[in-house]
Amino acid sequence: DTGVSQNPRHKITKRGQNVTFRCDPISEHNRLYWYRQTLGQGPEFLTYFQNEAQLEKSRLLSDRFSAERPKGSFSTLEIQRTEQGDSAMYLCASSLAKARGATNEKLFFGSGTQLSVL
Amino acid sequence: SQQGEEDPQALSIQEGENATMNCSYKTSINNLQWYRQNSGRGLVHLILIRSNEREKHSGRLRVTLDTSKKSSSLLITASRAADTASYFCATPLPLNAGGTSYGKLTFGQGTILTVHP
Repeated sequence: DTGVSQNPRHKITKRGQNVTFRCDPISEHNRLYWYRQTLGQGPEFLTYFQNEAQLEKSRLLSDRFSAERPKGSFSTLEIQRTEQGDSAMYLCASSLAKARGATNEKLFFGSGTQLSVL
Repeated sequence: SQQGEEDPQALSIQEGENATMNCSYKTSINNLQWYRQNSGRGLVHLILIRSNEREKHSGRLRVTLDTSKKSSSLLITASRAADTASYFCATPLPLNAGGTSYGKLTFGQGTILTVHP
């Protein structure tokens, strides 16, 4: 399977615990995105990387959230001191941008990690 | 805030009928994309239409774009039960948004399509 892979598929945690999600993008893709989606809503942008550089973080991403893409390949999203409001589907997507300013590329999404904070 | 808004929020039709979903957006764009999402899964890209295009076809899909009205529509012809899903329009922020926002897609709230067999 050469698509975008996300692990785990489901995560149940208690409030206050830390959680970490992993995303493996399509290997030749240079851009990697994290989105959050709650029930009945569209995906909301959290952050994205061009290679290993984190280019933008949404205001939705509080200080409890951190994302890394250490070698420009896989990425991790960590949430510290989880809150019930963090319960959502966390989606990762990747794309191949042929130029720094390219905006025409389509995104390939993983199946997401469903987080439930009790 | 969401850039695109889909209409209707939910659509229920019989197999074989056509389904039309609309999307409105706020800022200038250079392309608009439509995605599909099955329940509990990730999104799948359906079609991209550029700002200089007015209509595009892909199989049973037909997308139109009216940049003067800042709106787009997605038509699914001869619908099937397997078309049941949520459909989202998405637009990238324009290059003049500044900073490093190039290519960042913003999604609408989606249209939930149910096709009854």
